[in-house]
Amino acid sequence: SQTIHQWPATLVQPVGSPLSLECTVEGTSNPNLYWYRQAAGRGLQLLFYSVGIGQISSEVPQNLSASRPQDRQFILSSKKLLLSDSGFYLCAWSSQGSNQPQHFGDGTRLSIL
Amino acid sequence: SQKIEQNSEALNIQEGKTATLTCNYTNYSPAYLQWYRQDPGRGPVFLLLIRENEKEKRKERLKVTFDTTLKQSLFHITASQPADSATYLCALDNYGGATNKLIFGTGTLLAVQP
Repeated sequence: SQTIHQWPATLVQPVGSPLSLECTVEGTSNPNLYWYRQAAGRGLQLLFYSVGIGQISSEVPQNLSASRPQDRQFILSSKKLLLSDSGFYLCAWSSQGSNQPQHFGDGTRLSIL
Repeated sequence: SQKIEQNSEALNIQEGKTATLTCNYTNYSPAYLQWYRQDPGRGPVFLLLIRENEKEKRKERLKVTFDTTLKQSLFHITASQPADSATYLCALDNYGGATNKLIFGTGTLLAVQP
């Protein structure tokens, strides 16, 4: 069966520090991969979308970047964190094509001090 | 402007009753709509998908309707249980089904009282 792993579960970082969040998927190949941010009381905001290795679509202008160095690995990064980067970050995968459900990891709670 | 609206206030119901959650959208033409459940501190879990040409979809105690004229989806949980307490998110496709990107509503918190 397919599984998705995200780590760390929680992270506290100072303003201006770098960030690297990792997400890996097992049990499937060539998935679509997604990074979302969920602010308190807000919906999920799609940050990045990838249909294959090295193919990243940025959905909103921001201080973050994403990379997909391997088929089932998706990394969210920042060189310098801002206070506004605080939030709950979720990685998800789906099979290729439309009408596919998305399967989420358990997220990383990021607090910027 | 484009909007997806779900009941912003929590929905409180008694165990055994039917819970009905609403998702309204404006200025979207989704090819399909999905519903997810999210527990506190966890990622959303997929529940049901309904396509624009389907009026109703069922899965066990869950039922989803999709009215593209009213631009509304209703999500029903029959014989509700305290374990059904969670936030329920609707999500729609706005790309004519050409991609798998979704736009999520803010969710409705359902509390089922024993």
